[in-house]
Amino acid sequence: ELKVEQNPLFLSMQEGKNYTIYCNYSTTSDRLYWYRQDPGKSLESLFVLLSNGAVKQEGRLMASLDTKARLSTLHITAAVHDLSATYFCAENAGGTSYGKLTFGQGTILTVHP
Amino acid sequence: KAGVTQTPRYLIKTRGQQVTLSCSPISGHRSVSWYQQTPGQGLQFLFEYFSETQRNKGNFPGRFSGRQFSNSRSEMNVSTLELGDSALYLCASSLFTGVSEAFFGQGTRLTVV
Repeated sequence: ELKVEQNPLFLSMQEGKNYTIYCNYSTTSDRLYWYRQDPGKSLESLFVLLSNGAVKQEGRLMASLDTKARLSTLHITAAVHDLSATYFCAENAGGTSYGKLTFGQGTILTVHP
Repeated sequence: KAGVTQTPRYLIKTRGQQVTLSCSPISGHRSVSWYQQTPGQGLQFLFEYFSETQRNKGNFPGRFSGRQFSNSRSEMNVSTLELGDSALYLCASSLFTGVSEAFFGQGTRLTVV
């Protein structure tokens, strides 16, 4: 059974600090996705990582993928309050999985002054 | 460019009833996936349709079914509703199947009483 595990599940950060969310997955997939969800809202696509060593950055967020370690990270630089949300990583196992995404539990990020 | 549109946004149904949810994907997208989101189970894959064919199905009972029309619009149906079916149902569309980035709709909040 596919498993995607995130840690930490809860993250309370001070503004201006850096932190990393980790996402471990169980298959040899090289397709990893990061999403953001605000309370009561839908999922917003942040990053699509499609190969080993892929690194993508958008503003204060940077995501990377290490397929050998089956690990993706989402690094937050100099956090601001607007980044408070729940962050999900998701894996597509490829092959006959087609469009199926297996999601992690989500990391609830709270940024406070 | 219009996003993924789900209707209705909110629904209240009684146990034993059935419900149909609708999803209109982004124009040109041929893959539509459905997910159930609950506080206890997180985000779980229901099924995916591509060119009117169900390509993949999650681990849900047969009460959950779906279909896709020739214009790529999709519907999902839940029969004999149970209290545990209360959830946010999210639809995602992508250009192709598997690799492509998936864009999510605002979701339908279903409450079963």
